[in-house]
Formats: sequence, C-alpha cells, structure tokens
Amino acid sequence: EVQLVQSGAVVKKPGESLKISCTDSGFSFTTYWIAWVRQMPGKGLELMGIIYPGDSDTRYSPSFEGQVTISADKSISTAYLQWSSLKASDTAIYYCASLPISMFGVGFDYWGQGTLVTVSS
Amino acid sequence: DIQMTQSPSSLSASVGDRVTFTCRASQSISNYLNWYQQKPGKAPKLLISAASSLQSGVPSRLSGSGSGTDFTLTISSLQPEDFATYYCQQSYSAPFTFGPGTKVHIK
Repeated sequence: EVQLVQSGAVVKKPGESLKISCTDSGFSFTTYWIAWVRQMPGKGLELMGIIYPGDSDTRYSPSFEGQVTISADKSISTAYLQWSSLKASDTAIYYCASLPISMFGVGFDYWGQGTLVTVSS
Repeated sequence: DIQMTQSPSSLSASVGDRVTFTCRASQSISNYLNWYQQKPGKAPKLLISAASSLQSGVPSRLSGSGSGTDFTLTISSLQPEDFATYYCQQSYSAPFTFGPGTKVHIK
C-alpha cells in the first residue's frame, strides 16, 4: 500500500526559496503518478501538476506552469515541489497524492498529511 | 480546461436526512468523475471513482451517479461523521480539475 509522508511545516519570508518533499514509504514509487495539490486558507483544492517518477514525465496545470517546479528522485521514492522566490500568496497547505498509472478515469487514492507553508515578512 | 461547478456551495442537514448534491462539468467527461470528502485539518479522502464506484471501506449509504456533464452524490441517511466538505474532480482531461466543494453543516 502507498504511504505518502510529507516534510514538515515551514515559515519563510517573501523572496526566499523552498523545496518540500513527499516520500512513499509503502509501495513501488514508479507504479503511480504523484500529484501536488494546493489548498489556500479556507479555500478549495487546486491541482498544481503531476509527475511520473519512473521517467520524470511532468505535467503542470496552466495556472502553475512557471511558478513552481515539480521533480522526483525514484532512487529514494521522493517527489518534490519547489519555489525559487516565494510570495505571500503561496501561503497554503500543499498535499501530495498518488494517481494510478492509468491516470484517466481514476482518482487520487492516497494522500500525504499535507505541508503547511507560511510566507510572511 | 474543463471547468467543474458544484451546487449547493453549502447545506444544513440533520442526522438521518437524505442529502443530494450535484456536480456539473463544462463539457462531457463520460463517467470520469471522482468524489472526495475532506474534514477540517485532514487530507481529502477518495470516496467514489468513475462516477459510481465506491472505494473500499466507504459506507454503502453513499452513492454516486451520472454521466456526461451532470453527476450527483447522495448520502441516504446522514451520519455525524458525514459532516464535511465534498469535492468532485474530473479525470477525463488533464489538468484534472476539482469543483469548488459543497460543505455539509449540522442543522
């Protein structure tokens, strides 16, 4: 079974860089896509993008293209979400979730616990 | 991108009530529609995939239906643990967009 464990909460200042992680401790990392989902305070779920760790094929949602970088290291079963210059509007909870390799017609079946990112001066 | 809408945005109901809420896609998505439940401070949980297929462990009082552009999630007898926010999500075309959610409150 997939078990996704995310890195801990962080507080950053505007303009700083950040890389958060999502590690699969339970199953074969390369049999799933990994998605990153943003939830801003009091708001709904937004898919940022997905990555297939087997070959690092990455698809970004248009709103997030160029704003973040999604990557993965299959040797340590870890996916990453990275910012080069944070803004206050990046304050949110970020979830990783697994998506079966077929991708279409299926849902995000396992979720990490979420990473709270707070960006404040 | 395919846009997803949900109605109502919130509803108040009592334990034992039958509740139904809807999700609409901006274009046909066949049955490629998933439903999630999220409780405060918790990660979302996948309830139903392919419009009507209950995930393992999800109680049978929940059911989903629909195809094309219109979908419904029904809870036949609302239980205390069902008070949460419910999101639909299409998995027909990337990016796999979510609806804005329906929050179920205790009346």
